[in-house]
Amino acid sequence: GQQLNQSPQSMFIQEGEDVSMNCTSSSIFNTWLWYKQDPGEGPVLLIALYKAGELTSNGRLTAQFGITRKDSFLNISASIPSDVGIYFCAGDDGGATNKLIFGTGTLLAVQP
Amino acid sequence: EAQVTQNPRYLITVTGKKLTVTCSQNMNHEYMSWYRQDPGLGLRQIYYSMNVEVTDKGDVPEGYKVSRKEKRNFPLILESPSPNQTSLYFCASRRVGMGLSGANVLTFGAGSRLTVL
Repeated sequence: GQQLNQSPQSMFIQEGEDVSMNCTSSSIFNTWLWYKQDPGEGPVLLIALYKAGELTSNGRLTAQFGITRKDSFLNISASIPSDVGIYFCAGDDGGATNKLIFGTGTLLAVQP
Repeated sequence: EAQVTQNPRYLITVTGKKLTVTCSQNMNHEYMSWYRQDPGLGLRQIYYSMNVEVTDKGDVPEGYKVSRKEKRNFPLILESPSPNQTSLYFCASRRVGMGLSGANVLTFGAGSRLTVL
């Protein structure tokens, strides 16, 4: 099945640093979503993007829908320890079932 | 509270012993889906269901079965588990018919960690 290329695979940073991660695809997507998975929990939606070029913020999080519709990035500013987790991007293939294709995930560790 | 509930959360079993992971949602969602999460591979879809009695294969359906007899329940069945099915499993649900609007994105359960010896 199709997968998105997500990078980096993991990041180990100090509290207060900014973080950036991105996803790329060979296919065009109609929607990009960013999820966070806390340890021992299921993924929870952070940000949803619906238009090419769209830039959306949610607190310290900012995400953009790439203009080519084949990529997206997520930035976290001034990281805090509770930002720890796995971040997944996901794209909607635009088909009849609105199937989500998930990235391989970015593991974020924040040192206090 | 709106939620997707999976059981069991943790299970260790042996090769060939049939097992079922239950999934239930209380949001009246039409769409339900099962994923497995493996290191370096992200979330891969196993099966999904667009509504009652309507199920279809995802990307990695081999070795799994599902059923959708009621709208709220979508159990995942492993008839003869094998070690390569050791994984973290997630059930998810959402509404159908409104595209992927902000109110219509996937809600995930807390996960079921399965180990097959």
